[in-house]
Amino acid sequence: AQSVTQLDSQVPVFEEAPVELRCNYSSSVSVYLFWYVQYPNQGLQLLLKYLSGSTLVKGINGFEAEFNKSQTSFHLRKPSVHISDTAEYFCAVRGGGGNKLTFGTGTQLKVEL
Amino acid sequence: EAGVAQSPRYKIIEKRQSVAFWCNPISGHATLYWYQQILGQGPKLLIQFQNNGVVDDSQLPKDRFSAERLKGVDSTLKIQPAKLEDSAVYLCASSFGSGGFFGQGTRLTVV
Repeated sequence: AQSVTQLDSQVPVFEEAPVELRCNYSSSVSVYLFWYVQYPNQGLQLLLKYLSGSTLVKGINGFEAEFNKSQTSFHLRKPSVHISDTAEYFCAVRGGGGNKLTFGTGTQLKVEL
Repeated sequence: EAGVAQSPRYKIIEKRQSVAFWCNPISGHATLYWYQQILGQGPKLLIQFQNNGVVDDSQLPKDRFSAERLKGVDSTLKIQPAKLEDSAVYLCASSFGSGGFFGQGTRLTVV
C-alpha cells in the first residue's frame, strides 16, 4: 500500500517570496511522484512528475521539486510566487506497476500582496 | 487536443434520489478513472477502467454506486440512492502514463 502526507493544510506567503510545499510518501515499492494544481472550480492540472533519472524535476509555471529517496520526500518549491499561484496543490504517488494514483489531502497556497 | 469532458458541471439533488455523471476521455486513452473529491480532502479513486473492463473498483460503494464504460470510450457513473455524504466533486481522468489528464469535474450537492 502507498500513502502521501502533506503536513501543511494552508501556506500563506507574500508575493515574490519563495515557497516550499511539503510532501512525504510511503511505499513498499519504487514510486512515481506527481504534483498537481487545482484552481477554484477546476479540475487537476499536472505541474510536474518524477518517473526516474535526475532527482530535481522542473515543471510548469516556474515550479520545481526534488525527489529524496532517503527522506521519502518530494517537496515542491518556487523561488518567487505570484498572486496567480493561489490554488490548492496536491502531491500524488503511483507505486510499482500499478496505475492507481494516491493523493495527499492537499495544501492551500495563498499568495498575498 | 481536446481534454477530458464531463457533464453536468453542477448537480443538486435530494437524498434518496438518483444521479448520473458522464465522462468522455481524451481520444485514444484506454485507461479511465473516476475519483471522488470531498471538500477539504484529496481525490479518492472510485473505479479504474482499462478499455471497457474494470481494473480496480475496491473503493466503490457498490450498494449504491455503479459505473460502466461502453465500447471502451465514454463512461457513466451513477449513484442510486444518493446520501448526504455523497456530496463531493466527481472527477474523471484518463491515462496516467504521463501523469494523467483530468476533467473539470461534476460538483454534486445532496440536500
